[in-house]
Amino acid sequence: AQSVSQHNHHVILSEAASLELGCNYSYGGTVNLFWYVQYPGQHLQLLLKYFSGDPLVKGIKGFEAEFIKSKFSFNLRKPSVQWSDTAEYFCAVNSNYQLIWGAGTKLIIKP
Amino acid sequence: KAGVTQTPRYLIKTRGQQVTLSCSPISGHRSVSWYQQTPGQGLQFLFEYFSETQRNKGNFPGRFSGRQFSNSRSEMNVSTLELGDSALYLCASSLEGLAGDETQYFGPGTRLLVL
Repeated sequence: AQSVSQHNHHVILSEAASLELGCNYSYGGTVNLFWYVQYPGQHLQLLLKYFSGDPLVKGIKGFEAEFIKSKFSFNLRKPSVQWSDTAEYFCAVNSNYQLIWGAGTKLIIKP
Repeated sequence: KAGVTQTPRYLIKTRGQQVTLSCSPISGHRSVSWYQQTPGQGLQFLFEYFSETQRNKGNFPGRFSGRQFSNSRSEMNVSTLELGDSALYLCASSLEGLAGDETQYFGPGTRLLVL
C-alpha cells in the first residue's frame, strides 16, 4: 500500500531563513501530490498540488514544490519564511481515490 | 461561495454511546470524504460518498459508518464509542472526487472527546 513519509516532525527557523520540508512516497506510477497547511486554529488549506506537466509547482504565499519521480519525492520549499508561516504542513498522495497523508511537520518561525 | 461546514464543532460523549456528525459540502460538490485526525495516527481516510453511494472506504471498523443525502450533505456515525475514537473528524468536499485533477476542500472539523 502507498505510504508517505515526512522527514521532520518539528522544524524551528528564524524569519528570513530558507525552508525545505521533505516528502517521500513509497511507490510510483501515476501520482497526484499535494501539500496542505493547517495554521493554528484554522482548517486544512491547499498550498499546492502536482498532477502532471512541469515538475516545479508554485503555490500560494510564495511556496513551491519539486516533483522528482526518480526519487519518489515532492519536497516543499520557500526561500524566505515569515513568522506567519508558523503552522503544520502535510504532504499527501492520491492513491486509489483516497488521500494518503504524511505525519505532518510542525514549523515554528521565531520572530 | 460558502466553504465546507461541519456541525457540531465540539462534542463530548462517554464510552458506549453513539455519535452523529454532519457535513455540508461546498455548493455543487458531489463528493464528500471523511478523515480522522489524531496525534498518534495522523490523518486517516475513513470513507468517501458520491451521489449518495459509498465509493471508497478506509481501514476502519464497522462501527464507523456514513451516508449522503440527495443534497450532497453527509453524516458520519460512530457507534459504541471507545476512548480511542477521540479525534478531530474532518470532512472534505470536491466536485467529482479524487479522480484526475480534483482538489479536496476541508471543513473546520468536529472535535470529539470520548470519556
